[in-house]
Amino acid sequence: EDKVVQSPLSLVVHEGDTVTLNCSYEVTNFRSLLWYKQEKKAPTFLFMLTSSGIEKKSGRLSSILDKKELFSILNITATQTGDSAVYLCAVPPGGYSTLTFGKGTMLLVSP
Amino acid sequence: NAGVTQTPKFRVLKTGQSMTLLCAQDMNHEYMYWYRQDPGMGLRLIHYSVGEGTTAKGEVPDGYNVSRLKKQNFLLGLESAAPSQTSVYFCASGRTGGDTGELFFGEGSRLTVL
Repeated sequence: EDKVVQSPLSLVVHEGDTVTLNCSYEVTNFRSLLWYKQEKKAPTFLFMLTSSGIEKKSGRLSSILDKKELFSILNITATQTGDSAVYLCAVPPGGYSTLTFGKGTMLLVSP
Repeated sequence: NAGVTQTPKFRVLKTGQSMTLLCAQDMNHEYMYWYRQDPGMGLRLIHYSVGEGTTAKGEVPDGYNVSRLKKQNFLLGLESAAPSQTSVYFCASGRTGGDTGELFFGEGSRLTVL
């Protein structure tokens, strides 16, 4: 059975801290891993990773994939209160064009 | 830009009632998905469609039906609602499948079944 496990489930940090969110996966025929951010309502796309060891970066957010160890991390540097959200990791199961999501990490950045 | 629009946004049903959730996208996307989100469970796929006239089951399809008669619309139906179907429902669409590119999500429809 395909699995996506995120850790920690929740995290509280102070503004300015750096955080690392983890996503481990077990899936047949791995093709990609995606990160989404969910604030109050709709999840929004952050990154898609397909190659091991290549960092994707967008401003203060970055992500890297380790296909050998079957995990990905999402880093957020110099956190701001606007980074407070649930961060979702997802992988496509088997040969399907769908996504299996992890349960998410709820990040709260306090001022 | 409307993007992905879900209606209704809120609904309260009694056990046994039926209803339809409508998802409309104006981006000419081929792929559309219905997910449900419950506390502590993450997003779980109910049904999806890879193009007009096609539908397929996801992880938790029981108790739901779907139709994709027009490319821009994806309907999710509950024939006989049960309290276990109390959830927040999200529709998503993508130019390609969620495995190869970005999905765009609607803002969710909160359904309560009493």
